[in-house]
Amino acid sequence: GENVEQHPSTLSVQEGDSAVIKCTYSDSASNYFPWYKQELGKGPQLIIDIRSNVGEKKDQRIAVTLNKTAKHFSLHITETQPEDSAVYFCADRGNLNPNTGNQFYFGTGTSLTVIP
Amino acid sequence: GAVVSQHPSRVICKSGTSVKIECRSLDFQATTMFWYRQFPKKSLMLMATSNEGSKATYEQGVEKDKFLINHASLTLSTLTVTSAHPEDSSFYICSAIRTSGDQETQYFGPGTRLLVL
Repeated sequence: GENVEQHPSTLSVQEGDSAVIKCTYSDSASNYFPWYKQELGKGPQLIIDIRSNVGEKKDQRIAVTLNKTAKHFSLHITETQPEDSAVYFCADRGNLNPNTGNQFYFGTGTSLTVIP
Repeated sequence: GAVVSQHPSRVICKSGTSVKIECRSLDFQATTMFWYRQFPKKSLMLMATSNEGSKATYEQGVEKDKFLINHASLTLSTLTVTSAHPEDSSFYICSAIRTSGDQETQYFGPGTRLLVL
């Protein structure tokens, strides 16, 4: 089945610095790559996504890059703030099971801590 | 972004009882909803795919008679944990798929914390 790997598992940065989280995937048919932020005790919140027809997307301090040839995509957070501290999950939408439709496959998560 | 609600947000029940969790898409219709389970400091584990008007599709290892899913309308899916046991205690999260043209986006609910005593 599809395999999504996410690194690093934990990341600590000083406030104001940048944070980068990387994910790789195996299904070459994947065409949608969302990133979710999950705060303690809450559901994941979609923060940015990218589809396979573009290589980069930016939304204020958050950007995502996609390299379909290498099958990896990354989340970039600039000018980090303490409220960016959370667990971040990458995901891709595979197409391996025609009976269930396009299922989402998640990375293992990155716990980001922004130190004031 | 789109809004997905879950109710209740947390529930405590006795072993052997059943618990129903509701998932609603508030501002869009969702033909497909997913139910996930999440253990502490772990990623999301897909339990089942809920399709409006048809039976849910369960992932391998998930007991369909234990976790009953009903997707009765385009805005509501329910998960019932039957004869709950302490090992069913977990964080359950639903998501709903919003479709716009040929693009699908997944939005999550806030989660339900279940504690079985």
